[in-house]
Amino acid sequence: DSGVTQTPKHLITATGQRVTLRCSPRSGDLSVYWYQQSLDQGLQFLIQYYNGEERAKGNILERFSAQQFPDLHSELNLSSLELGDSALYFCASSVYSRNTEAFFGQGTRLTVV
Amino acid sequence: DAKTTQPNSMESNEEEPVHLPCNHSTISGTDYIHWYRQLPSQGPEYVIHGLTSNVNNRMASLAIAEDRKSSTLILHRATLRDAAVYYCILSGGDMLTFGGGTRLMVKP
Repeated sequence: DSGVTQTPKHLITATGQRVTLRCSPRSGDLSVYWYQQSLDQGLQFLIQYYNGEERAKGNILERFSAQQFPDLHSELNLSSLELGDSALYFCASSVYSRNTEAFFGQGTRLTVV
Repeated sequence: DAKTTQPNSMESNEEEPVHLPCNHSTISGTDYIHWYRQLPSQGPEYVIHGLTSNVNNRMASLAIAEDRKSSTLILHRATLRDAAVYYCILSGGDMLTFGGGTRLMVKP
């Protein structure tokens, strides 16, 4: 158990819908990262927050947004969902924002039908 | 982040040492070398990281070439549980950029 909690574990939704994925980081970790893993794209970095502020942005679509709340949990919002958004979404946390060990959650498997 | 090159797959026998290579010829002076692994149906798991000197922890050892253009992750005694995709990542900034990794298969 990494100490990072992601909910829900599985999500099935229809195209065009909007979903919210939630991540609770390890106690004491200030940094939260979101990754998308699909079969053909591997692990893609989406976005990172550090202590409530956006720190780095990857290939995150405009239909996707995220935030980190004062209690340090984070949410990834995915809207206008397409079939191609079906993937595993991982959250990771670390104490600092760089060059430290990152702990990954078990992921949320999103299926868009 | 600079690019890394790893073999697509490797095979090992159980209880034997495994040396997983990684080339990173364009590494910059501030890039750390990270290794993560991903077991089937799980999130990635931290293995080890280093900057210049060799590093050891309970999971593995990291040997870094003197010119830092390559590194090797060493699993001292492979077990079936070590079968996973191993990612070598360079990071000089905030995020970890995963490449394709090496799929390690461990034979009993």
